[in-house]
Amino acid sequence: DAKTTQPNSMESNEEEPVHLPCNHSTISGTDYIHWYRQLPSQGPEYVIHGLTSNVNNRMASLAIAEDRKSSTLILHRATLRDAAVYYCILRDVNPNRDDKIIFGKGTRLHILP
Amino acid sequence: DGGITQSPKYLFRKEGQNVTLSCEQNLNHDAMYWYRQDPGQGLRLIYYSQIVNDFQKGDIAEGYSVSREKKESFPLTVTSAQKNPTAFYLCASSMTRPYGYTFGSGTRLTVV
Repeated sequence: DAKTTQPNSMESNEEEPVHLPCNHSTISGTDYIHWYRQLPSQGPEYVIHGLTSNVNNRMASLAIAEDRKSSTLILHRATLRDAAVYYCILRDVNPNRDDKIIFGKGTRLHILP
Repeated sequence: DGGITQSPKYLFRKEGQNVTLSCEQNLNHDAMYWYRQDPGQGLRLIYYSQIVNDFQKGDIAEGYSVSREKKESFPLTVTSAQKNPTAFYLCASSMTRPYGYTFGSGTRLTVV
């Protein structure tokens, strides 16, 4: 199973952009990149996903490197409510492979007021 | 509103007892998953099911059992064989790949 690597923690100031990196050097051609975030004592919440092109939605943007070995989740203007653990995972769309997703420890994002 | 419901939110059991955690979804999702989370750790996959009447073991299936008799329901039983069952348990469901998961709000199980 392809794995991802993220920094354990990051800090950012409120109202500034945040760039959360993720390395996935063993990504396969059929792996989609997904991001989730988890607030304390809650289930993770889907944020965004993409394959090759950069993606935007109301929550965030996803920038994917040309070789797809890394990606960055961008929060354009951080608020205190964005303080959470952010997980970067890979989901393989190949129907011949198990749909078994591995979550790492994620990045704990601290927002400073 | 469509969603995924886990109950109860908190559960206390005595050591040696089996306990069943409920997970129900009305999203019409085919796939369902159970994860375990320990303090300060990521999520670890216990079992998953991609279709009714079929399920596969995840990375830490020992001491757990599941059933998938209905599309909407995927209950998890924590048996007395699970050596350290106290944890936060999360259920999730998903449409066909590559779409994202929807998670429940979790059940915190404490075994005393």
